[in-house]
Amino acid sequence: GAGVSQSPSNKVTEKGKDVELRCDPISGHTALYWYRQSLGQGLEFLIYFQGNSAPDKSGLPSDRFSAERTGGSVSTLTIQRTQQEDSAVYLCASSQRLAGQGGTQYFGPGTRLLVL
Amino acid sequence: AQSVTQLDSQVPVFEEAPVELRCNYSSSVSVYLFWYVQYPNQGLQLLLKYLSGSTLVKGINGFEAEFNKSQTSFHLRKPSVHISDTAEYFCAVSGEGSYIPTFGRGTSLIVHP
Repeated sequence: GAGVSQSPSNKVTEKGKDVELRCDPISGHTALYWYRQSLGQGLEFLIYFQGNSAPDKSGLPSDRFSAERTGGSVSTLTIQRTQQEDSAVYLCASSQRLAGQGGTQYFGPGTRLLVL
Repeated sequence: AQSVTQLDSQVPVFEEAPVELRCNYSSSVSVYLFWYVQYPNQGLQLLLKYLSGSTLVKGINGFEAEFNKSQTSFHLRKPSVHISDTAEYFCAVSGEGSYIPTFGRGTSLIVHP
C-alpha cells in the first residue's frame, strides 16, 4: 500500500518568506508526527496529532511554527518569516499505535528546506 | 523522562566484517526500544524493535539487537556487512504509555570495499 508522502521534496526560500510543508499519512493511521532533522543532529520532535484530540505542540521551537491536520488525515506545517536556522529536513511520520505501546512509526521521505 | 545515547557518531568498517552500533538509554518506566535506518535522501524505516519477551531481537537485512536491562543498552549488530548497509542508524526509546519516542543523534555506518 501507499506509504507516507510529503511535498514538496525540496524547498528553497528567501529569509522572511512563509513556507508550507505537506504530509499525507498512511490511511487509517490516527497518529501523526512532525520532526526536524538538522545536519549531524538527531530527530527533533515538533508536534504530534492523535485523532481528534488537541495536538501536542510542546516541540515547536517558536511561534513562527504552526501545524494543522484536516479531517484526521493530511497535515500542513507552516513556518512564517523563515530564518536561516530553519534550514533542515522536515520529516513526517504516522502510526497506528503509540510508540509507548510498541507502535512503529512510518516516515515520509522528508522535505529539505533551505532558507537563503 | 527518557533519553538515548548513541556513543559513536560514525563507524567505518570493511565489507564482510562484523559491526556493532551502540545504544544506551535511560527511563524511569518500562521501555520499548527501536532501531531505524535512514538511507541517503530517504525517510527512516524500522529495522527492528524490542517490545517484550526474548531479549535477542532479529530484524531485516540480517541485523539483530540485544536488550540488556541491567546495562540499559540495546546494541545493534550484524555479523557481516555489505556496501548497501551504508546508512544512518537511529536508536529510539519510548516509555510505556508515552506517545513521543526519543531518538538518538544517529550513527553513520560507512562500509568500505
